[in-house]
Amino acid sequence: EIVMTQSPATLSVSPGERATLSCRASQSVSSNLAWYQQRRGQGPRLLMYGASTRATGIPARFSGSGSGTEFTLTINNLQSEDFAVYYCQQYKNWPPVYTFGQGTKLEIK
Amino acid sequence: DVQLVESGGGLVQPGGSLRLSCATSGFTFSSYWMSWFRQAPGKGLEWVANMNQDGSEKYYVDSVKGRFTISRDNTKNSLYLQTNSLRVEDTAVYFCGRETHGNFDSWGQGTRVTVSS
Repeated sequence: EIVMTQSPATLSVSPGERATLSCRASQSVSSNLAWYQQRRGQGPRLLMYGASTRATGIPARFSGSGSGTEFTLTINNLQSEDFAVYYCQQYKNWPPVYTFGQGTKLEIK
Repeated sequence: DVQLVESGGGLVQPGGSLRLSCATSGFTFSSYWMSWFRQAPGKGLEWVANMNQDGSEKYYVDSVKGRFTISRDNTKNSLYLQTNSLRVEDTAVYFCGRETHGNFDSWGQGTRVTVSS
């Protein structure tokens, strides 16, 4: 099983500033990496796939980078609605054993 | 608009069963792989199972193999998860999701399953 590790567990940032979230895979997943946002009481929302491609309707202030084992999600000009929990997910395996990181909670500083 | 709505959760004793449903609309259900996920209280997301478009391929996470069964009815645009031999550790909110090449672009709001005596 590929283990995904996210850091930090909690990130405190002020509105209008930049947040940088990290995700590490225990082995290479190439670019088979997605990011999700989950607000309290809601289902997750796909933000990025292929490590760096924004999903439909995702604002340009969200960007993703990385390949192999190291990935980053950057959120510029933080808005109030961006404070949520973020998960990375790998989808390299076949047959599928999709795995998620444990999440990073982005909170208002 | 794409919509996924889960139902069927509830309180069940250890060893019991529940059938979860995911009703979908707004897209051609029969064209997509579909998945189930779960999220234990205060924890992260876990992929549980998925199924291809015609139901001929099904995959499960090891912890539910032999206990859970994923199925679908393309005439009703619905996905199901039969959960048997439930354990306390199966307590979670269960989500369904539409799958596109290994990532999940639409999710429901979830249905809560509590396994407790």
